[in-house]
Amino acid sequence: GAGVSQSPRYKVAKRGQDVALRCDPISGHVSLFWYQQALGQGPEFLTYFQNEAQLDKSGLPSDRFFAERPEGSVSTLKIQRTQQEDSAVYLCASSLAGTRGETQYFGPGTRLLVL
Amino acid sequence: GDSVTQMEGPVTLSEEAFLTINCTYTATGYPSLFWYVQYPGEGLQLLLKATKADDKGSNKGFEATYRKETTSFHLEKGSVQVSDSAVYFCALSSGGSNYKLTFGKGTLLTVNP
Repeated sequence: GAGVSQSPRYKVAKRGQDVALRCDPISGHVSLFWYQQALGQGPEFLTYFQNEAQLDKSGLPSDRFFAERPEGSVSTLKIQRTQQEDSAVYLCASSLAGTRGETQYFGPGTRLLVL
Repeated sequence: GDSVTQMEGPVTLSEEAFLTINCTYTATGYPSLFWYVQYPGEGLQLLLKATKADDKGSNKGFEATYRKETTSFHLEKGSVQVSDSAVYFCALSSGGSNYKLTFGKGTLLTVNP
């Protein structure tokens, strides 16, 4: 079946612009995660949804970052007033039920470059 | 907090050589452990996992054993191929309010023919 998809794949933004990144998880997956991956680093957790509820947003680096999943499927990560330090690959992952040891399935990522 | 430390790369091997990538962790409770792989131009995908002490995960000739006493989950393969060239990430999830993954920095493996 279809995997996790993300759009756009690449985004160039001028500093100060707002951007919106979309994630389509695997159909039926309850849990959805966003991660940020800086160049040469491992992914770092940003936020977690269980269905439409955002249960953990402890990894969001500032109040310029906002995520939503209003109907419990598609999710959007929004970054307001982008800064150069926001340049990174943003990864979305989904898992079936969010239980212990469960595999997370990753999308291809959105590469954001802020000029 | 939780953390993962893995062998820094890059690692360059000849085809059919033996591979070890070291991974150690710090976590509360009893984490699940994972190796993810990122092939050139592709997204992260699960390579193998283990959910309790002494479990061995295996896939595509790769193996890793969950060692609680040494808090380690080293990745091994007896004979690497050119197609194994990729970035390998060790990760853990330890529960709490969710099972988010904590990743190491990744190890770039290049296998030459």
